[in-house]
Amino acid sequence: KQEVTQIPAALSVPEGENLVLNCSFTDSAIYNLQWFRQDPGKGLTSLLLIQSSQREQTSGRLNASLDKSSGRSTLYIAASQPGDSATYLCAVRPQAGTALIFGKGTTLSVSS
Amino acid sequence: DVKVTQSSRYLVKRTGEKVFLECVQDMDHENMFWYRQDPGLGLRLIYFSYDVKMKEKGDIPEGYSVSREKKERFSLILESASTNQTSMYLCASRDPGGSVGAFFGQGTRLTVV
Repeated sequence: KQEVTQIPAALSVPEGENLVLNCSFTDSAIYNLQWFRQDPGKGLTSLLLIQSSQREQTSGRLNASLDKSSGRSTLYIAASQPGDSATYLCAVRPQAGTALIFGKGTTLSVSS
Repeated sequence: DVKVTQSSRYLVKRTGEKVFLECVQDMDHENMFWYRQDPGLGLRLIYFSYDVKMKEKGDIPEGYSVSREKKERFSLILESASTNQTSMYLCASRDPGGSVGAFFGQGTRLTVV
C-alpha cells in the first residue's frame, strides 16, 4: 500500500532564506503528485500539480520536482516570507481512478 | 475559479444525533471526496464518489455514510454522532482527467459533545 512521508514535520527559518520541503512515497508507480498549503483551521489550497511524466513544475517562487524512480518530490521555496508560514502537504494519486494519499505535512514558520 | 463550498465552518452536535455535512462544487467535476483530518494522523479518506450515485469506501468509513444524488453535491452523514468523530472534515472535488488536480473546501470543524 502506498505510503507518503514528509520530513521534517516542522521547520523554522528566517525571512529571505531559500528552503526545501521533502516528500517521499513508497510505490513509484504514481499518476500524479500534488502539493498543497494549509493555513491554521482552513482548507487546503493547491500549489502545484506534477504529472507522472513531468520532472518539475514552477509557480512564482515555488518549484516542485518529481523523481519517480527514487520515490521523491521536493518543494523549493525561494526567498521565504512570513506569509509563507503554513503547513505544506504532499499528496500522491496512485492511479487514475483513485483518491489522493497524503503525507502528514511540514509546518513551516518564517520569522521576520 | 473552481469553488468547493462546505455548508458550515463550525458545527457543534450532541452524541447520538444524526449529522449532515454538505459539500457543493461548481465545476461539474465527476469525482468528489470526504476526508477527516486529526492531529498526528493527517488526512484520512472516508468516502470517494466516482460519479452520481457511485461511491467507494475509503480507509475509515465506519460510522459514516454518503449521498450523491446530484453531480454537484456530496453529503457526508454521521448516522449517530460520537465524541470520537470530533474532527476537521474536508471535502474535495476533481476532474478525473487529472490535468488540474483536486480542489478542497474550507473545511467543517465538527465538535460532538
